[in-house]
Amino acid sequence: GAGVSQSPSNKVTEKGKDVELRCDPISGHTALYWYRQSLGQGLEFLIYFQGNSAPDKSGLPSDRFSAERTGGSVSTLTIQRTQQEDSAVYLCASSLELLPYNEQFFGPGTRLTVL
Amino acid sequence: AQKVTQAQTEISVVEKEDVTLDCVYETRDTTYYLFWYKQPPSGELVFLIRRNSFDEQNEISGRYSWNFQKSTSSFNFTITASQVVDSAVYFCALILANQAGTALIFGKGTTLSVSS
Repeated sequence: GAGVSQSPSNKVTEKGKDVELRCDPISGHTALYWYRQSLGQGLEFLIYFQGNSAPDKSGLPSDRFSAERTGGSVSTLTIQRTQQEDSAVYLCASSLELLPYNEQFFGPGTRLTVL
Repeated sequence: AQKVTQAQTEISVVEKEDVTLDCVYETRDTTYYLFWYKQPPSGELVFLIRRNSFDEQNEISGRYSWNFQKSTSSFNFTITASQVVDSAVYFCALILANQAGTALIFGKGTTLSVSS
């Protein structure tokens, strides 16, 4: 596709369940970012990938969050034992390279609701 | 630490009015980039403009214009003759230029509602 795609678009889960959120970046983009958008916190950075590598995981809110990227393309954000405070829209972005001036192209997001 | 402040949470205007969205940023770094993104009701963030810290020239693109002033650490965005389609949440963001892997630091956003 031409843009960043994310799936599912909506996910409702029960507290304590695990969820996986998927991001397909723009083809050829080596850098990939995950952000979280919630009412109280605005847009917050979670993690970035350069290729398949995520050198800095300090932005992840807790050890229940993990992310991986395979083949320099698709990325999965996994949240284990979900809590109600995890409810948010999870946004993925990609850019041509991991350079600050590169425009980040955002996907439509996955709206996660934890009951 | 870096911070972006968008003091206006919500703005409502009537079509054809001009509106300015304020953005104030904080950083001790001398090299950085500033961005504006638009988030329409569909949810997808759309890039509007990028400015680097060494370029204080104002920019105009159609009905949009941006005023970057380092002296006041501001990067304000003006929409001239607003239209209903301009209704969206607008985010100002900052990224440092001298650290690999830094991410966008966003303000909380300003919700603009344009009525006909």
